[in-house]
Amino acid sequence: AQSVTQPDIHITVSEGASLELRCNYSYGATPYLFWYVQSPGQGLQLLLKYFSGDTLVQGIKGFEAEFKRSQSSFNLRKPSVHWSDAAEYFCAVGARQAGTALIFGKGTTLSVSS
Amino acid sequence: SQTIHQWPATLVQPVGSPLSLECTVEGTSNPNLYWYRQAAGRGLQLLFYSVGIGQISSEVPQNLSASRPQDRQFILSSKKLLLSDSGFYLCAWSGDLGRGSNTEAFFGQGTRLTVV
Repeated sequence: AQSVTQPDIHITVSEGASLELRCNYSYGATPYLFWYVQSPGQGLQLLLKYFSGDTLVQGIKGFEAEFKRSQSSFNLRKPSVHWSDAAEYFCAVGARQAGTALIFGKGTTLSVSS
Repeated sequence: SQTIHQWPATLVQPVGSPLSLECTVEGTSNPNLYWYRQAAGRGLQLLFYSVGIGQISSEVPQNLSASRPQDRQFILSSKKLLLSDSGFYLCAWSGDLGRGSNTEAFFGQGTRLTVV
């Protein structure tokens, strides 16, 4: 079965600084990979997704993520963080077969300091 | 376009009372449907998912059950709520993972359940 690990529970970044959120997955083949963002009391919004092809994926709000098969990782990055990026971020993995569910990591809370 | 509706937004229920949360999807057919629970510090816990009418997979043994009476309707229920059932419940849908298209999950706005 697939699983997702987000090693960092909480990260604080200064506004304007770069950001990297870590995500490691466990799955026997190449999975579908996703990053979501959640504002307090809201549902989840998709930031970006990897299905196949180019391993560097661009998403909304200036985010990008890189799929590294050798490291089983799909880290999220942003070159310059804005105060509005403060939220909770979830990495998710999906198996490439019908009848399976998306599995989420426990999330990383991002705080942005001025 | 596809939309997902989840209600109610907030709910306060006494211990031992029943529960029914409803989720409906519009604009797509035969979606995968999911119920997740989010508790502080525990991330998103998959409770149930369904790939078709009457087909329910349970991921965590607990006090809850799910049903899918129609293609685009997913219901989360309990006969008797426990204090530990409090949390933020999220419904979501996705396309068929096996087909490889439209496979990201789209979420409802969630239901904040407080059991008192």
